[in-house]
Amino acid sequence: AQKVTQAQTEISVVEKEDVTLDCVYETRDTTYYLFWYKQPPSGELVFLIRRNSFDEQNEISGRYSWNFQKSTSSFNFTITASQVVDSAVYFCALSENFGNQFYFGTGTSLTVIP
Amino acid sequence: DGGITQSPKYLFRKEGQNVTLSCEQNLNHDAMYWYRQDPGQGLRLIYYSQIVNDFQKGDIAEGYSVSREKKESFPLTVTSAQKNPTAFYLCASSIAGSGVYGYTFGSGTRLTVV
Repeated sequence: AQKVTQAQTEISVVEKEDVTLDCVYETRDTTYYLFWYKQPPSGELVFLIRRNSFDEQNEISGRYSWNFQKSTSSFNFTITASQVVDSAVYFCALSENFGNQFYFGTGTSLTVIP
Repeated sequence: DGGITQSPKYLFRKEGQNVTLSCEQNLNHDAMYWYRQDPGQGLRLIYYSQIVNDFQKGDIAEGYSVSREKKESFPLTVTSAQKNPTAFYLCASSIAGSGVYGYTFGSGTRLTVV
């Protein structure tokens, strides 16, 4: 079974539009960690955010915001007023079992059209 | 600055040849990982190592080999037994063998069989 599901394979938006990337996870652990990574065309995965299972507060960082809802096992990522530089593949990931197992989603490719 | 260095960035291999991809980190991380990325398939774990002189197979280890003689280095050899080696390879590291804090990634090596 897929531990992390990113149902959106590809998304295209016009610059300045808002866009939400969905992430649904599955775990039986009560302590776990969720992550988002950005992979620009250069290839390197860049860490965006880490959230532990006990902290359901939403987080905002500039144009980025994250909505963590344990009730629906989701950790969605919203980019407000998208820019061309946001074009990348975005991965959601789950770390469970005290970090000994790490699972990536299949990624969502975001294209921001100028 | 601390980080992970992968080399070369691009690598071409003739069928039947072994090639070795380099991964070096100066983050003093205990654990290191190799992932393979194919279009639309996300990241798949090849091998990982949590301490020097020890490593474990991941989900797709067949046709690959690794060594961990030094904490800083985790080279990956793609052998001739790997039938479809053309892919993007990412090396990562983490603190103390744990995914709790997430992974730091290198910039990747793109391997093409010619």
